[in-house]
Amino acid sequence: EIIMTQSPATLSVSPGERATLSCRASQPVSSNLAWYQQKPGQAPRLLIYTASTRVTGVPARFSGSGSGTDFTLTINNLQFEDFAIYYCQHYNNWPLTFGQGTKVDFK
Amino acid sequence: EVQLVESGGGLVQPGGSLRLSCAASGFTFRTYSMNWVRQAPGKGPEWISYIGVRSATIHYGDSVKGRFTISRDNFKSSLYLQMNSLRVEDTAVYYCARDLHYFDSWGLGTLVTVSS
Repeated sequence: EIIMTQSPATLSVSPGERATLSCRASQPVSSNLAWYQQKPGQAPRLLIYTASTRVTGVPARFSGSGSGTDFTLTINNLQFEDFAIYYCQHYNNWPLTFGQGTKVDFK
Repeated sequence: EVQLVESGGGLVQPGGSLRLSCAASGFTFRTYSMNWVRQAPGKGPEWISYIGVRSATIHYGDSVKGRFTISRDNFKSSLYLQMNSLRVEDTAVYYCARDLHYFDSWGLGTLVTVSS
């Protein structure tokens, strides 16, 4: 099983600033990585797949990068609606696994 | 618009059984693989099961293998999860999710609580 490790666990950011979230896989996953956003009481929402492809409708301030074992989600010009928990997930092989999440909260 | 609506959750005692359903609409269900993903309180999501379009390919996570059974009915555009021998640690919100290897659409979830 591939272990996905996200850091930091919590990121305190002010609106307008940049947030940089990291995700590391215990084995290479090529670019088979997705990022999700989850707000309280809601299901996760897909933001990015194949490490860097934004889903239609996701603002351009969200960007993903990386391949192999190290990945980054960057949120530029953070907006109030971006305060949430973010999860990475690999889909390179079975079982599919998620990271434990990074909470982006208000500084 | 893609819609996935789960049902069948509730309170069950350890060792009991439940059957979850997911009704799909807004897309051609029979052409998509599907998954069940769960999320325990305060934890990250956990993928638990996958089923291919014709049910020929099925995968389970180790935590549910041998206890849970995934199935689908393409005529009814529905996905199912039969859960047997439930444990306290199975307590979670259970989501059905459409598969593109990642999960592009999710339902609202149904809560399963396993407690005596």
